[in-house]
Amino acid sequence: GQNIDQPTEMTATEGAIVQINCTYQTSGFNGLFWYQQHAGEAPTFLSYNVLDGLEEKGRFSSFLSRSKGYSYLLLKELQMKDSASYLCAVMDSNYQLIWGAGTKLIIKP
Amino acid sequence: ETGVTQTPRHLVMGMTNKKSLKCEQHLGHNAMYWYKQSAKKPLELMFVYNFKEQTENNSVPSRFSPECPNSSHLFLHLHTLQPEDSALYLCASSQETEAHQPQHFGDGTRLSIL
Repeated sequence: GQNIDQPTEMTATEGAIVQINCTYQTSGFNGLFWYQQHAGEAPTFLSYNVLDGLEEKGRFSSFLSRSKGYSYLLLKELQMKDSASYLCAVMDSNYQLIWGAGTKLIIKP
Repeated sequence: ETGVTQTPRHLVMGMTNKKSLKCEQHLGHNAMYWYKQSAKKPLELMFVYNFKEQTENNSVPSRFSPECPNSSHLFLHLHTLQPEDSALYLCASSQETEAHQPQHFGDGTRLSIL
């Protein structure tokens, strides 16, 4: 079967760095997406990785290792507004998104 | 503003009621999706439309009936729902289904079944 694993909840301090991991087993691979979802709001697109390596976008970076079935989202200089759920999703060989259950990130002052 | 608008934002209905959820996208996309989001569970894909044609029905019970009159509008008609159908229903759109493009989501309809 297809499976995406990510931690249920993480806590970090304002100004610090946090890494959210995602491991996957899917039927084929057409890229991995990270989304941010604030409570009561729409998931919003953060990043897309299809090749191995690190993609940097401001305070957020996303890493992919296809051979290990592994990705992480790195958030630097954490701000209170970064408190949200972070969703990992893999596009399989049928171009369907397979979703993880999300990681709830709590930022403390 | 994501370019995808869902109405209503909240809906409370009894098990014998009939209601509809509406989704409209202003992004010029050709693919639209319905997802169910329950607490602490992954998003569950329900239906996919590409160029107004239904391309995916993920074994969804017949009490959920989608309608896609054009590429910008998507409806989900509800009847005789069960308490376990209470969830957040999200609509999304993308350029096409078979493309490495992100999906853009609406804020969802929070559905509660009494």
